[in-house]
Amino acid sequence: DAKTTQPNSMESNEEEPVHLPCNHSTISGTDYIHWYRQLPSQGPEYVIHGLTSNVNNRMASLAIAEDRKSSTLILHRATLRDAAVYYCILRDIGETSGSRLTFGEGTQLTVNP
Amino acid sequence: GAGVSQSPRYKVTKRGQDVALRCDPISGHVSLYWYRQALGQGPEFLTYFNYEAQQDKSGLPNDRFSAERPEGSISTLTIQRTEQRDSAMYRCASSLEYQGGTQYFGPGTRLLVL
Repeated sequence: DAKTTQPNSMESNEEEPVHLPCNHSTISGTDYIHWYRQLPSQGPEYVIHGLTSNVNNRMASLAIAEDRKSSTLILHRATLRDAAVYYCILRDIGETSGSRLTFGEGTQLTVNP
Repeated sequence: GAGVSQSPRYKVTKRGQDVALRCDPISGHVSLYWYRQALGQGPEFLTYFNYEAQQDKSGLPNDRFSAERPEGSISTLTIQRTEQRDSAMYRCASSLEYQGGTQYFGPGTRLLVL
């Protein structure tokens, strides 16, 4: 499986934008970039995913570099509820192994009031 | 609607005992996944099913671990002859689609082996 690299931790202030980076220099052409997050004492939850183009949904935006070797999850206005571990995951859904989620260490986001 | 449910939420057992962990996926979801999560780590894949067929069990750590989903709905993860190193949070997830659909996670079962 292609590997992702994320900072261990980041801090933000409430109501400010947050940019969470992810490097995936060995990404293959059929790998989708997925983001999940895990709030304290809860199971992971889906945030967003994309292949090549930037994506927006009600939770966040995903900016994908033109060479696809990196991506950034953008929370436009962080709230205290966004404090969580954010995981950047590559999934090759053309392969059986792509059905699983391979979680790395993730980025622990702290949001200050 | 109801999300993924797991039972029991907490299980304390003695070393050497067998345990069965249950997962009830979202109704109609085709795929069901089992993960194990150690404290401070991300979840680690164990196995998954499409309907009742076990598609991939490469993540099961050894032959003491097994899983089934006989009718394509509820699944049971069984750990035989538990060891202290089996202590972890066991998480189940389900997906409407197979091969890449969004996974919805349950609250997990916290297993403690004494």
